[in-house]
Amino acid sequence: GIQVEQSPPDLILQEGANSTLRCNFSDSVNNLQWFHQNPWGQLINLFYIPSGTKQNGRLSATTVATERYSLLYISSSQTTDSGVYFCAVDWPGDSNYQLIWGAGTKLIIKP
Amino acid sequence: ETGVTQTPRHLVMGMTNKKSLKCEQHLGHNAMYWYKQSAKKPLELMFVYNFKEQTENNSVPSRFSPECPNSSHLFLHLHTLQPEDSALYLCASSQEGVQKRLYFGPGTRLTVT
Repeated sequence: GIQVEQSPPDLILQEGANSTLRCNFSDSVNNLQWFHQNPWGQLINLFYIPSGTKQNGRLSATTVATERYSLLYISSSQTTDSGVYFCAVDWPGDSNYQLIWGAGTKLIIKP
Repeated sequence: ETGVTQTPRHLVMGMTNKKSLKCEQHLGHNAMYWYKQSAKKPLELMFVYNFKEQTENNSVPSRFSPECPNSSHLFLHLHTLQPEDSALYLCASSQEGVQKRLYFGPGTRLTVT
């Protein structure tokens, strides 16, 4: 099956810093999503990005499908950005509804 | 606010109890999902309903019983659970045909004693 790897596994930054999170996948995918899980467990869908670049405020994401990776950029970090960031891919080799999830990057933003 | 609500937010139950988790989505989506998130493990897909029909059951034990009376509501009925079933249970929805962009509820944190 497909492998989805996220890096780094943990990241600690000061408020105001910028960061780049990476998601590598080992096979072609139909689409890719980025999620943020806050410390209380709520998962928010940040981007649905099978290819190209999208921006939403301080966050942006780029997926290079031909090279099998996606990047999530966070600029001017705030303490509310803390939590775990997951990427999840829709792999055509699996069922219509199964997403393959990375293990996540745990981000801590210190004030 | 994601448009998906879940109740209760926290639940403590004994192994002989029967309880139900409720999920409601206000997004007009046609597909609804139950996920389980245990500590140190990736999200596990449990059940999928598409247009009220169950389309996925990922080898989930029968002590978990889903119900989808309409495309806006989803229940997870629990009975004779085990302590290892303690986890965060997440409901999600997506629009059929939009290739599964998922919107999650806040989750129910379940503790089985």
